[in-house]
Amino acid sequence: AQSVTQLDSQVPVFEEAPVELRCNYSSSVSVYLFWYVQYPNQGLQLLLKYLSGSTLVESINGFEAEFNKSQTSFHLRKPSVHISDTAEYFCAVTGTSSNTGKLIFGQGTTLQVKP
Amino acid sequence: EAGVAQSPRYKIIEKRQSVAFWCNPISGHATLYWYQQILGQGPKLLIQFQNNGVVDDSQLPKDRFSAERLKGVDSTLKIQPAKLEDSAVYLCASSLYGLATDTQYFGPGTRLTVL
Repeated sequence: AQSVTQLDSQVPVFEEAPVELRCNYSSSVSVYLFWYVQYPNQGLQLLLKYLSGSTLVESINGFEAEFNKSQTSFHLRKPSVHISDTAEYFCAVTGTSSNTGKLIFGQGTTLQVKP
Repeated sequence: EAGVAQSPRYKIIEKRQSVAFWCNPISGHATLYWYQQILGQGPKLLIQFQNNGVVDDSQLPKDRFSAERLKGVDSTLKIQPAKLEDSAVYLCASSLYGLATDTQYFGPGTRLTVL
């Protein structure tokens, strides 16, 4: 069984400042890791995912996350945020041997970007 | 490409009443998921279909919740009778094959309020 902990429920930050959203997971098996984003009044959409290979994965809008197996973490970072990044961010995990793709989500982190 | 469609977007009912939600996944996607997202929490999987068969319904409260996916396309989720603690957003998602590496595509959700 897996579990995910997002350490911050809310992260306020000023525009153009860097941000880190923290995610730790627990699992007895190897995992795939995901970050989903939910913009106001929209459904969840995939931001990025780690499946294998390079531990640093990037999204098209400037976010990146690094898989750290020893620390069981998958923190999300962006060097300079925009107002449009205001949203709720969910970290999720599934076992690599899962034959269902069942995702276990963290409780979410609300990123509030202030002008 | 059309996304995952859900209806209604909002529903308010009184406890002990029944309610049904509808989901139409992305065309060609074999796997359909129903998640429950309670305020302040991450989505929790209720049931997963592969085509028209149930793959995982371990967290579905079967005494009051039911779901079907006739013909392996669209799906309905029903609650009868509703309880106050069923107030949540019900999310439908679909993926191509249901593999652990697949991206899940989410609909906008149905916000249920039980009074």
